[in-house]
Amino acid sequence: AQSVTQLGSHVSVSEGALVLLRCNYSSSVPPYLFWYVQYPNQGLQLLLKYTSAATLVKGINGFEAEFKKSETSFHLTKPSAHMSDAAEYFCAVTREAGTALIFGKGTTLSVSS
Amino acid sequence: DGGITQSPKYLFRKEGQNVTLSCEQNLNHDAMYWYRQDPGQGLRLIYYSQIVNDFQKGDIAEGYSVSREKKESFPLTVTSAQKNPTAFYLCASSISLKGTDTQYFGPGTRLTVL
Repeated sequence: AQSVTQLGSHVSVSEGALVLLRCNYSSSVPPYLFWYVQYPNQGLQLLLKYTSAATLVKGINGFEAEFKKSETSFHLTKPSAHMSDAAEYFCAVTREAGTALIFGKGTTLSVSS
Repeated sequence: DGGITQSPKYLFRKEGQNVTLSCEQNLNHDAMYWYRQDPGQGLRLIYYSQIVNDFQKGDIAEGYSVSREKKESFPLTVTSAQKNPTAFYLCASSISLKGTDTQYFGPGTRLTVL
């Protein structure tokens, strides 16, 4: 069965520092993977998705993620954090039957000046 | 302006009452979903619908019911059988149930049981 593990429920960085949010997945079929961002009391917004094309996926707001099959990972990165990046981030994988998503528990990113 | 609307934004319920959360989309999407979000738990799937007059249970359907009488609308009823309904509820839609299709989310409804 499909599953997603996000390592670290809370990550803190300084403004201008590298952002690295970790996501590992388990899937019995080739996975489709997503990263979403959620600001307080709002819905989720898609950052990027992997659908078996290029393994390095570029998303909005300067974020990117690399699909590594050998490591079953899909980590999210951004070279330089901005205060506005402070939010909760969710990694998700499509279920085997191609229906709804399975979400990780989320990682809260804090950015300090 | 295309999107998903959820109402109300905040909802308070007394124990033993049923309440209905509204979800409407004007994206012409076939598939719609309801998720429940609790702190530190991520999002968990309650129900989903692929097409009008058809819906399927998700992982935590007990104590909830849905209907899909129109393509644009997918209301969720939280019944008195739901033991712990206080949570943030998110509705989403996608073009179809294909795994590559992006799910778009509404702004959410925060339900509090008094």
